[in-house]
Amino acid sequence: GDSVTQMEGPVTLSEEAFLTINCTYTATGYPSLFWYVQYPGEGLQLLLKATKADDKGSNKGFEATYRKETTSFHLEKGSVQVSDSAVYFCALSSSNTGNQFYFGTGTSLTVIP
Amino acid sequence: NAGVTQTPKFQVLKTGQSMTLQCAQDMNHNSMYWYRQDPGMGLRLIYYSASEGTTDKGEVPNGYNVSRLNKREFSLRLESAAPSQTSVYFCASSERGLGYTFGSGTRLTVV
Repeated sequence: GDSVTQMEGPVTLSEEAFLTINCTYTATGYPSLFWYVQYPGEGLQLLLKATKADDKGSNKGFEATYRKETTSFHLEKGSVQVSDSAVYFCALSSSNTGNQFYFGTGTSLTVIP
Repeated sequence: NAGVTQTPKFQVLKTGQSMTLQCAQDMNHNSMYWYRQDPGMGLRLIYYSASEGTTDKGEVPNGYNVSRLNKREFSLRLESAAPSQTSVYFCASSERGLGYTFGSGTRLTVV
């Protein structure tokens, strides 16, 4: 079935460092791909999305490109801030899943000053 | 503010007690979901409702029941709480292709 695998954490970076969180997917159809962010004590918020191959989603300095050839949707940010400390979830949705979402296990990011 | 509202935010139950978690959305979304979040396991789908009047089991439905009361409301019931149901519960709603909107969660402890 459809699924998402993301890199395990926790990840600790210094402020202004470059961030990559890897996400790969398995799907029989053409899924939409998402990154969600969860700040401490809160629910998940949509960070960015891409609905077809080669699309780039971006928001708040974060970017991810839908790569069909490598079945990947890696999250990147050029210069992280302390306020980016959160848990990041990769997810997919497709008609094969009845438009339900399947989430990765989450990657915890801590940014230190 | 538009969104998904969950109540209560915190709850402590004794083993064997029952309770209902409430969820309401004001975005006119057709689909609603209940997830649980446990350390190291991400989010797991308990039940979902693709539209008003329908409900279906997700990955971990045992020990839970749901009711889609109307288009706005989707409740989750624990009939006889067990310590294994200690978790953070999230309700979400969606409209096709637009992504999920999550509530802020209910932290449940069963002792």
